[in-house]
Amino acid sequence: GAVVSQHPSWVICKSGTSVKIECRSLDFQATTMFWYRQFPKQSLMLMATSNEGSKATYEQGVEKDKFLINHASLTLSTLTVTSAHPEDSSFYICSARRGTSGYLSYEQYFGPGTRLTVT
Amino acid sequence: AQSVTQLDSQVPVFEEAPVELRCNYSSSVSVYLFWYVQYPNQGLQLLLKYLSGSTLVKGINGFEAEFNKSQTSFHLRKPSVHISDTAEYFCAVTEYTGGFKTIFGAGTRLFVKA
Repeated sequence: GAVVSQHPSWVICKSGTSVKIECRSLDFQATTMFWYRQFPKQSLMLMATSNEGSKATYEQGVEKDKFLINHASLTLSTLTVTSAHPEDSSFYICSARRGTSGYLSYEQYFGPGTRLTVT
Repeated sequence: AQSVTQLDSQVPVFEEAPVELRCNYSSSVSVYLFWYVQYPNQGLQLLLKYLSGSTLVKGINGFEAEFNKSQTSFHLRKPSVHISDTAEYFCAVTEYTGGFKTIFGAGTRLFVKA
């Protein structure tokens, strides 16, 4: 149980275009989802936290208008990179937290990641 | 957590040797501790976690870790490593301060040599 999927796993897009990445919790409801960015040989950097039905909370330094996050349902969150540029090339990972109380709610379940390359 | 420090960026070790990957954190509140493994071009897989109870926790693939509150450490150990353990390992700390916040360490690259 607690499986998180991401689609696509790998995408190449041209500079100036937009690309959407989907994150789904397959067998549980996720009231909270997180989006991370990871540069080569570096740790995960939290970009934003999204709660179902409300606006995402972005970390300092993350451009809200560039990285649009939508958490429309309890099983789906999307990250849209708008007007992508080569510097947006990175590995994007989502995670989800179960909507239960107690200790189970402290865990995050991670998706397999999406490799974005902007040419 | 104010910070999470993984003291070694790379740890080379021979196959079947023991290994310890170190993690220290700083926080002013109660924390919950995790170790994750990441293989190339993949997401994170949970190795083990400490939420409460026994300070020695066992995880998958023969790994274990011990929570030491006085030393604010959560070191990961394995008595005998395999080539397949070569990967990046991340220590993570979650705290609740009005909302859940997780901070990751910089990662430790474990390289197992034959």
